[in-house]
Formats: sequence, C-alpha cells, structure tokens
Amino acid sequence: QVQLQESGPGLVKPSETLSLTCAVSGYSISRGYYWGWIRQPPGKGLEWIGSIDHSGNTYYNPSLKSRVTISVGTSKIQFSLKLSSVTAADTALYYCARHFRGPDYFDYWGQGTLVTVSS
Amino acid sequence: QSALTQPPSASGSPGQSVTISCTGTSSDVGAYNYVSWYQHHPGKAPKLMIYEVSKRPSGVPDRFSGSKSGNTASLTVSGLQAEDEADYYCSSFAGSNNLVFGGGTKLTVL
Repeated sequence: QVQLQESGPGLVKPSETLSLTCAVSGYSISRGYYWGWIRQPPGKGLEWIGSIDHSGNTYYNPSLKSRVTISVGTSKIQFSLKLSSVTAADTALYYCARHFRGPDYFDYWGQGTLVTVSS
Repeated sequence: QSALTQPPSASGSPGQSVTISCTGTSSDVGAYNYVSWYQHHPGKAPKLMIYEVSKRPSGVPDRFSGSKSGNTASLTVSGLQAEDEADYYCSSFAGSNNLVFGGGTKLTVL
C-alpha cells in the first residue's frame, strides 16, 4: 500500500522560504510516476503546485513557477517542496500525492500539513 | 477564485441520487477527457473517486459515476449513504503542462 506523509515547519515568516518533505513508503519513487504537491488555503479549493518524476523532470503551476522548486531525495524515498518569498496568501494545508501524469490524476495522497505564514 | 466552478453545496436523502457539476472552459474540461474527482473527509487524505471522466479506481463503489458534456463534467452519487457526506473536488488537465481544480462541493446527506 502506497503511503505518503508530509513534514516540515508549521510556521514560516513572510518573505522566507517554505520547505516541506514528503516521505513515500510502499512504493519506490524510482519505479515511476510523477510525485506532486497540492495545497488548500483555508476556506478555499485545491491548487496544484507542481510535480516531479524519478529522473528529476519537473513541471509547475505557471502561477507559482517563479517561486517553486521540487526535488527528489537521493534515496528516492522522499521528495521536497520549496516555496520562496512567502506571504500570508501561501498559508494553506499542503498535500503531497502520487501523480499519474497524462490522465493527470492523483491516486494516493498524504493527510496534509498546515503551514501558516505569519511574523 | 478556482479555475473550475463547482456549486458550494449539494444535498440529498439516503438512497437518493445527487449530481455535482464542474464547469470549466474549452481549454480544460471541454478539451480533454482528463477530468478526475476526489472525495475529502476533513482531516483525512483525499481519495480518488473518478479519473478520465468516468473511470472508477478499484474499490470505489459503482454508486459513483462520472460524465462530461461540453465544458461541464458531472459526478453522480446514487443510493446516497451517510458515509458519502464529504467535500468533493474536480480537476482537469488544462494544457500547457497545467492542471486545475474546482473550488469544492460540500455534500450533505440529510
């Protein structure tokens, strides 16, 4: 059974960089698929942030592309998100998920981690 | 504002059917058969219910069905059960390496 678990600081100061990690178990990232990040601001809908494959190929939401970096750990058991120059608008529940690119759906999700941007 | 438009709420009594709409444009929902639907019980991981407009992953009851007409996709839940009460989100490939979601619909089982 594929399982994903997000981790990282729950509070980030404005203008700083948000950093999160997603630990994957039950499936090796190196076997394939893309692996993505999605967020949900309080009271709002979901927003796809970006995705990466095992080779490091990435693609990002055009509206966030200038601030986003997604990478895969060398052990291929985790992948990470960095979002720079954060503002209060980046306060959200952040999810990681396995991404079946092409049909573009997410078949396994983590439970999410809340990140608040505040001084 | 979300890229895809969903009604904020929907409801039905146990045993009834309810349909949730997801309206996009000719650049996303209308252009590709890559619409998916997710069920989300707050505090839990979202669950894939439908992909490629109408396909069900293994383990999803056949009470859940999806369809599309023009720029609008729909999720129908038949034979409503108490455990179906949740938030539902649609998403669609939007071309140019982009993917968009709807704002979500809160389904209440009366």
